[in-house]
Amino acid sequence: AQTVTQSQPEMSVQEAETVTLSCTYDTSESNYYLFWYKQPPSRQMILVIRQEAYKQQNATENRFSVNFQKAAKSFSLKISDSQLGDTAMYFCAFTTYSGGGADGLTFGKGTHLIIQP
Amino acid sequence: SAVISQKPSRDICQRGTSLTIQCQVDSQVTMMFWYRQQPGQSLTLIATANQGSEATYESGFVIDKFPISRPNLTFSTLTVSNMSPEDSSIYLCSVDLAGGETQYFGPGTRLLVL
Repeated sequence: AQTVTQSQPEMSVQEAETVTLSCTYDTSESNYYLFWYKQPPSRQMILVIRQEAYKQQNATENRFSVNFQKAAKSFSLKISDSQLGDTAMYFCAFTTYSGGGADGLTFGKGTHLIIQP
Repeated sequence: SAVISQKPSRDICQRGTSLTIQCQVDSQVTMMFWYRQQPGQSLTLIATANQGSEATYESGFVIDKFPISRPNLTFSTLTVSNMSPEDSSIYLCSVDLAGGETQYFGPGTRLLVL
């Protein structure tokens, strides 16, 4: 069974600072995908970034980037120039794709990120 | 991505009753998923719904409690049966766009059981 661990229940940084959220996972699969989702107070789950395990290059999306260390099974999210609107719960998630299609996501417990003005 | 809607957005129900949650997507998708998010918790997969086949349930979730329908490629329902206060949660559907290898979520249904 796959597991996803987020060891930081809550983090707080000042606006414009850079913050890194940690995530580790455990799997015996070789083909899998990793995601970071953001959940603001509205409870809508918003995809932030995704990473394919077979790609060595780290994914980036504007101010968001990941540090994917496959051997260490680590997948951290870096948010640069943090903004007040980044305040939210951030969930790390994992899935595999079998021959029949997508599998469901396994989520970490989440990190509550607070951006202070 | 896709536009995903859920109905109702929220509801307050009495224990012992049942509620059916609808999930509609604006494009045809093969895989749809249902998740539960209990208060202050992360998301847990309830089941996977493929069109034309029985839903596949995760450990701890049973069809009698959470029956699922998937009548076509754009629609699914989840019923929460014989509800108790422990069923108070946010229920979210998600879809995996063919070839997209990424899941997108509906806005969720907030359920409170009294």
